[in-house]
Amino acid sequence: EIVLTQSPGTLSLSPGEGATLSCRASQSVSGNFLAWYQQKPGQAPRLLIYGASSRATGIPDKFSGSGSGTDFTLTISRLEPADFAVYYCQHYGGSPPYTFGQGTKLEIK
Amino acid sequence: QVQLVQSGAEVKKPGASVKVSCKASGYTFTAYYMHWVRQAPGQGLEWMGWINPISGDTDCAQKFQGWVTMTRDTSSSTVYMELSKLTSDDTAVYYCAREVLTGYKAFDIWGQGTVVTVSS
Repeated sequence: EIVLTQSPGTLSLSPGEGATLSCRASQSVSGNFLAWYQQKPGQAPRLLIYGASSRATGIPDKFSGSGSGTDFTLTISRLEPADFAVYYCQHYGGSPPYTFGQGTKLEIK
Repeated sequence: QVQLVQSGAEVKKPGASVKVSCKASGYTFTAYYMHWVRQAPGQGLEWMGWINPISGDTDCAQKFQGWVTMTRDTSSSTVYMELSKLTSDDTAVYYCAREVLTGYKAFDIWGQGTVVTVSS
């Protein structure tokens, strides 16, 4: 089972700043099948990035993903109030279980 | 439009079973796997398992083997997840989410979630 560790646990930033979120895997992620999701309180998760760096349909280019193997990053530029949420990484597509990281809470400073 | 609509909230007693439904619309049902993910109060996301809508084949995380059953009804484009022998630890929001059979594009559409409360 691949264990995904996200850092930091909480990130406090101001609107207009940029955010960098990290996801580290306990072993290499097959095919770089690594996704990022955004979740707001009381809502279902929303897919942002798949395949480590491809934006999902309708996701603005302020969200970008990078990385390969065991180290992945989600970068969010020009933070807006709507961007403050919890972000999860997940590996998928290879051998299950398709585990999620524990999440990074992005909060307004 | 593409959507997954789940059944309503459930309150169950310990030891009981619960069956949650997820009805798909707006797309070809047999072109997407359906996954189940749960989230305990204040906690993160936990992948439970998936079902192949064409064959009905399923796979689930080891901790759920033997007590989660996933089925589908292609005539109504609906998948079901049944969890048995409930304990208070199963209190959570349960989500269905689809993934295209080919292309490895992760879970792109999610249901609205079904709250399951286990309490005596």
